[in-house]
Amino acid sequence: DIVMTQSPDSLAVSLGERATINCKSSQSVLYSSNNKNSLAWYRQKPGQPPKLLIYWASTRESGVPDRFSGSGSGTDFTLTISSLQAEDVAVYYCHQYYSTPYTFGQGTKLEIK
Amino acid sequence: EVQLLESGGGSVQPGGSLRLSCAASGFTFSSHAMSWVRQAPGKGLEWVSSISNSASGSNYADSVKGRFTISRDNSMNTLYLQMNSLRAEDTAVYYCAKDQWWHNYWGQGTLVTVSS
Repeated sequence: DIVMTQSPDSLAVSLGERATINCKSSQSVLYSSNNKNSLAWYRQKPGQPPKLLIYWASTRESGVPDRFSGSGSGTDFTLTISSLQAEDVAVYYCHQYYSTPYTFGQGTKLEIK
Repeated sequence: EVQLLESGGGSVQPGGSLRLSCAASGFTFSSHAMSWVRQAPGKGLEWVSSISNSASGSNYADSVKGRFTISRDNSMNTLYLQMNSLRAEDTAVYYCAKDQWWHNYWGQGTLVTVSS
């Protein structure tokens, strides 16, 4: 199984500042058929289902604000929120869909400083 | 508008069974793989199972293999999860999610509680 490890577990950032969340996979999730990384990011607010932010490691889902960006390749990935807004307070998860069992990171709780 | 509406959750004793349903609308259900993802209270997300658009193929997490069965009825636009031999550790909110890889649509979830 591919283990996904996020860091940090929790993060406090001031409004308008940059937030960075890291995700490391225990093996490469590079999909050779299209040379893209099988990695997605989600945001989950309390009492709500997860919301897709990024897929293929860096493709922003339709309607997602451009302050969200994803980067990385192979085994190391990053989600960056360029200017934190109040509505970004949530738990963020990375997710590999390279191979079953598909696995998620443990989550990173993002709060306002 | 894409909608996924889960039902069938509830309280059950260990060893019992439940069948979850997910009614889909707003997209061509028969063209998309579907998945179940669960979340134990206060915990993270866990992929449970996925099924291809035609139901010709399915996958399961090791934690549910042999106990849970995913299925679908494309004529009814409905996804199912038959859960047998339930254990306390199966207690979670179960989400229905569109597609097998990344999930751009999720239902609101249905709570399954396994307790004596």
